[in-house]
Amino acid sequence: QVQLMESGPGLVQPSETLSLTCTVSGFSLTSYNVHWVRQPPGKGLEWMGVMWSGGSTDYNSALKSRLSISRDTSKNQVFLKMNSLQSEDTTTYYCAREKFHYFDYWGQGVMVTVSS
Amino acid sequence: DIQMTQSPASLSASLEEIVTITCQASQNIGNWLAWYQQKPGKSPQLLIYGTTSLADGVPSRFSGSRSGTQYSLKISRLQVEDIGIYYCQQASSTPFTFGSGTKLEIK
Repeated sequence: QVQLMESGPGLVQPSETLSLTCTVSGFSLTSYNVHWVRQPPGKGLEWMGVMWSGGSTDYNSALKSRLSISRDTSKNQVFLKMNSLQSEDTTTYYCAREKFHYFDYWGQGVMVTVSS
Repeated sequence: DIQMTQSPASLSASLEEIVTITCQASQNIGNWLAWYQQKPGKSPQLLIYGTTSLADGVPSRFSGSRSGTQYSLKISRLQVEDIGIYYCQQASSTPFTFGSGTKLEIK
């Protein structure tokens, strides 16, 4: 069945780089788009960016200068890297599969705290 | 970017009551609108897509509608398991923006 699982460090130092991995199963990265969405504690959802099935990417303009999304199709993994982390980047990060513009499957999320 | 203005921010209703949540899009998004339900500590789950289509396994008491650029989610007979936070999302163009959420509680 379709599954997505985020993994990464729970704690990152301010100004450092966050690296997250979304490992997927039950579908092919070359057939479906995978998005990253984040949610600060007690707040709403923010779309971060997407790895299109064709291999290109698109980013939220507010994060574009700090954000990079890539993938390894042989490992069924999508990667997120975001640099210059600050306290406002303390949030839960989700990856989600897109089907016809909608997010039909989500990972369980990974909580990342930015703190020294 | 397309802005989604969602209301109300919170809502308390009685069991079996009809509940309506709305989202106003800042521009035309056609029927590219989804609703998600998020329960505490869980990931969002797709409820409705394409403005009116129910996702797999979603009870028929949930329904979606549209009037111009205003979109509504209706729960016809509120159940205990419906508590959570509801988000709309426009899927017309990236960035795929979300509404600010509606927290639904049982009175």
